[in-house]
Amino acid sequence: EPEVTQTPSHQVTQMGQEVILRCVPISNHLYFYWYRQILGQKVEFLVSFYNNEISEKSEIFDDQFSVERPDGSNFTLKIRSTKLEDSAMYFCASSDGILSTDTQYFGPGTRLTVL
Amino acid sequence: AQTVTQSQPEMSVQEAETVTLSCTYDTSESDYYLFWYKQPPSRQMILVIRQEAYKQQNATENRFSVNFQKAAKSFSLKISDSQLGDAAMYFCAYCSETSGSRLTFGEGTQLTVNP
Repeated sequence: EPEVTQTPSHQVTQMGQEVILRCVPISNHLYFYWYRQILGQKVEFLVSFYNNEISEKSEIFDDQFSVERPDGSNFTLKIRSTKLEDSAMYFCASSDGILSTDTQYFGPGTRLTVL
Repeated sequence: AQTVTQSQPEMSVQEAETVTLSCTYDTSESDYYLFWYKQPPSRQMILVIRQEAYKQQNATENRFSVNFQKAAKSFSLKISDSQLGDAAMYFCAYCSETSGSRLTFGEGTQLTVNP
């Protein structure tokens, strides 16, 4: 069964550094998402992406965040200048539709640790 | 804004027994969708079951069923004949057309299955 994959599984970075989290969505999916989960807190929506542009973003997704689909398979989340509070598990998801009924398939996550 | 609450941080069940995980939500909308996701220790979140709010019949998927009480805004998950492989974190989630494609998650319930 096709799966969403994410690399790396764990990323450690120094505060102020840029990080890029990578995701490979399911191949025939057209809609992509990023969520994050700070330790001990709820999974939170960050952004959705379709047709090479952001469809929707949350208040968390400020100017330090950006997303890109650099080629036909990868979907990336860039954090420009990491802060301690960016430490979290970041989940990528994809779906073949944008409706609420369309199942979002999640990747295993990347644990980002900002020191 | 919609909120989802899971008041049971941890639950345990004996193998082959039945367990019910609770979820409540708050919304002013009449048309929405509710989900239960399972996140095993390998970290991939997997959709377990989905309920459309306009459907009165409770969704069922093999050993998993829900008790959807729309007036009470309650959406509990029942796992029958629990198996060791059911041990995981379970997330309740909400989505609606007006909220776009974003999923709103509860805090999660860690389920332990005892042999």
